[in-house]
Amino acid sequence: QTVVTQEPSLTVSPGGTVILTCASSAGAVTRGNFPNWFQQKPGQAPRALIYSTSGRHSWTPDRFSGSLLGGKAALTLSGVQPEDEADYYCLLYYGGDQLGVFGGGTKMTVL
Amino acid sequence: QVVQSGGEVKKPGASVKVSCKTSGYPFNNFGISWVRQAPGQGPEWMGWISGYNGNTNYAQRLQGRVTMTTDTSTSTAYMELRSLRSDDTAVYYCARYDPEIHSSTFWGQGTLVTVSS
Repeated sequence: QTVVTQEPSLTVSPGGTVILTCASSAGAVTRGNFPNWFQQKPGQAPRALIYSTSGRHSWTPDRFSGSLLGGKAALTLSGVQPEDEADYYCLLYYGGDQLGVFGGGTKMTVL
Repeated sequence: QVVQSGGEVKKPGASVKVSCKTSGYPFNNFGISWVRQAPGQGPEWMGWISGYNGNTNYAQRLQGRVTMTTDTSTSTAYMELRSLRSDDTAVYYCARYDPEIHSSTFWGQGTLVTVSS
């Protein structure tokens, strides 16, 4: 079973920049893993932010961007806002059947 | 819009079937993905079903216990989980899945399934 690893927690100051990463035990993350990023706030369903590495949905603020960085998927938040405090999860797909595996999540605190 | 059925309480060994009714888009142009989240844990990807032809892909650890189906006449998807155990207690989510861009975009409100004797 492939394991997807994220930073357990990060703290960032308002207006700052932070990079969340998503690593795979199967090796380097590539575009073929179609990295997705989700934001989740307490009591809410996950909200899709990024698809296929760097695609933004119409509702995704410009300050969120996705990329590949050093063999990992990355989510960069530039100009962090207090409302960005949330849990962030990456999702990678594997194999011909494109089976998905979520990362353990990053709890981001804005302080 | 994606609207799920209400919460369920089940005994160990029983089965549960959660529904996911969609509206506002052509059902057979997209799939439905299912994700569950145990209390205090991260999400777990369960699988997805094509709204076009009913093809399914299931997470390996759920193979044999989960069945996803659709009813195209009502634009509704279903997820049945059998032989329930206490660690199946979770909020179950469905979402519209676009296989072209591998994105679960619009999510239901979630259905709490509690497994308890």
